[in-house]
Amino acid sequence: EVQLVESGGGLVQPGGSLRLSCAASGFIFSSYEMNWVRQAPGKGLEWVSYISSGGTSIYYADSVKGQFTTSRDNAKYSLYLQMNSLRVEDTAVYYCARRSHTGFIDFWGQGTLVTVSS
Amino acid sequence: QLVLTQSPSASASLGASVKLTCTLSSGHSSYAIAWHQQQPEKGPRYLMKVNSDGSHSKGDGIPDRFSGSSSGAERYLTISSLQSEDEADYYCQTWGTGIQVLFGGGTKLTVL
Repeated sequence: EVQLVESGGGLVQPGGSLRLSCAASGFIFSSYEMNWVRQAPGKGLEWVSYISSGGTSIYYADSVKGQFTTSRDNAKYSLYLQMNSLRVEDTAVYYCARRSHTGFIDFWGQGTLVTVSS
Repeated sequence: QLVLTQSPSASASLGASVKLTCTLSSGHSSYAIAWHQQQPEKGPRYLMKVNSDGSHSKGDGIPDRFSGSSSGAERYLTISSLQSEDEADYYCQTWGTGIQVLFGGGTKLTVL
């Protein structure tokens, strides 16, 4: 059974940093491209970043470019999101999501809540 | 610019059918999309991919009550025999420039 479990969320002050993790199981992690997607309270889904299966290609939404860094450790079946210089508007539930071989997101984690507030 | 447009809300009665629509912006009518369901306080769940020819492929465990179809730039999700657990937000998704993921604004479905 495919599982994606995010962790690392919490309350952080503006300007602070946080590192999210996503533990994958039930599939060959190194064969799949991955994404981070976030959802602000009461809002819709917003794509944050993409990373290729080998980790060599990474893309970001303009809203987080230069602020967030995505990485992965295929040996540990883990995906990461390093978030720096956090702003109030970064408050959201952050989901890791698997990209299927047909190009669409086909599995989601349960999400981890990041709250940026003083 | 590729944009996905969804009606903000829809409603239908228990046991009835409902058809949700996702409209691709002009010039992008050949794009496939995916439908995702998000029940209250839960993470999204992939339902299916819908191609421009109307063919669709569902995710594992998705009931037969859920089906997809297409007409021109519109992609549809039809849910028949509505159940209370179908009350959720439904998002369509495709790919924009390069690898960028695009979502529609979502449709909140109320089961009456």
